[in-house]
Amino acid sequence: EAGVAQSPRYKIIEKRQSVAFWCNPISGHATLYWYQQILGQGPKLLIQFQNNGVVDDSQLPKDRFSAERLKGVDSTLKIQPAKLEDSAVYLCASSVTGLNQPQHFGDGTRLSIL
Amino acid sequence: RKEVEQDPGPFNVPEGATVAFNCTYSNSASQSFFWYRQDCRKEPKLLMSVYSSGNEDGRFTAQLNRASQYISLLIRDSKLSDSATYLCVVKGFQKLVFGTGTRLLVSP
Repeated sequence: EAGVAQSPRYKIIEKRQSVAFWCNPISGHATLYWYQQILGQGPKLLIQFQNNGVVDDSQLPKDRFSAERLKGVDSTLKIQPAKLEDSAVYLCASSVTGLNQPQHFGDGTRLSIL
Repeated sequence: RKEVEQDPGPFNVPEGATVAFNCTYSNSASQSFFWYRQDCRKEPKLLMSVYSSGNEDGRFTAQLNRASQYISLLIRDSKLSDSATYLCVVKGFQKLVFGTGTRLLVSP
């Protein structure tokens, strides 16, 4: 079974620039998550999709972050404009819908802001 | 108070030792519980789910105490390869919250 695919693996940009990340979940997984993990901390949920609808985006900084999952499969996360504090690993995860279903993570995108 | 709290460690133990981590959660309505393992610069990977009756997977035992709102992970006969960060994960209604993780270092 193919895992969660993310790209790019690494990205370096200057502050105030824009960046986009892509995620393709495991086939058949209706739920997709984007997390931000800052060094030394646990992953923080940014947004959760159920198919193409948003379930939870309460911790997404909507003034600069946006995400979409238009066809309910792959998803993009965008930051515009980037700030220094956005330096982190951005993890995408997917799961089958259900109470006790664990999440499966992609390798993540490591973002560095100069 | 954080939704999910863990001792960040690090826990330094020799090979063969038994080590236990605890994790407390604040939302009494939480419904599912997991332990994930994260190696340095890698993505989190599911170690095991935690069931109310407690469950065991080889050298790993997970326990849930709903009354006191904590879960635990016990690792017996530690191996060098167990060195990693162990993340406690609590799931409420459609919302999943990660702890900051407990770092384990197993030395020869």
